[in-house]
Amino acid sequence: GNSVTQMEGPVTLSEEAFLTINCTYTATGYPSLFWYVQYPGEGLQLLLKATKADDKGSNKGFEATYRKETTSFHLEKGSVQVSDSAVYFCAPIENTGNQFYFGTGTSLTVIP
Amino acid sequence: DAGVIQSPRHEVTEMGQEVTLRCKPISGHNSLFWYRQTMMRGLELLIYFNNNVPIDDSGMPEDRFSAKMPNASFSTLKIQPSEPRDSAVYFCASSSQYEQYFGPGTRLTVT
Repeated sequence: GNSVTQMEGPVTLSEEAFLTINCTYTATGYPSLFWYVQYPGEGLQLLLKATKADDKGSNKGFEATYRKETTSFHLEKGSVQVSDSAVYFCAPIENTGNQFYFGTGTSLTVIP
Repeated sequence: DAGVIQSPRHEVTEMGQEVTLRCKPISGHNSLFWYRQTMMRGLELLIYFNNNVPIDDSGMPEDRFSAKMPNASFSTLKIQPSEPRDSAVYFCASSSQYEQYFGPGTRLTVT
């Protein structure tokens, strides 16, 4: 079956620091990969995605590259802001179905 | 589009009472998901429907939980009888292909 391992949090960074949140997955097939973000008091929303090897998803300054050889999809941002404080979820999904396997989530707090 | 709509947003009830959570998916989406989120267990998939048919309910904790989708625009998650350990935020999500769109959630507190 599929599974996903995310870097444990909580992560606390100063504003403008570099962010990396690691994510590795196991899958029986060839999944699409997603990062979701959950702001306080809200539901999850899609941050970025990549559907094939070497694709780079990007949005709001965040990036993640689909690395098939290492089965990883690490989230990065060069300069975080206070408004990036949220919980981030990594999720692979098989292209044969639509069931997501969410990671445990990584809480990020950015301090001014 | 209004997005996924959930009601109520907050529910406080006493142990033993029946609780019904409601969800209206995005029009045109053919899959619907119910999740539960707690600090201890994180985000758990309870059940999902495809074209109104339950596909996988292996995440439903026990017989006290039931979910229905009578048509493409409405689903309910019912807990009867409710227990304090059911306190959590319950999310509904819908999708047409791979990307899931989440509702704002229902925060359930069982005292």
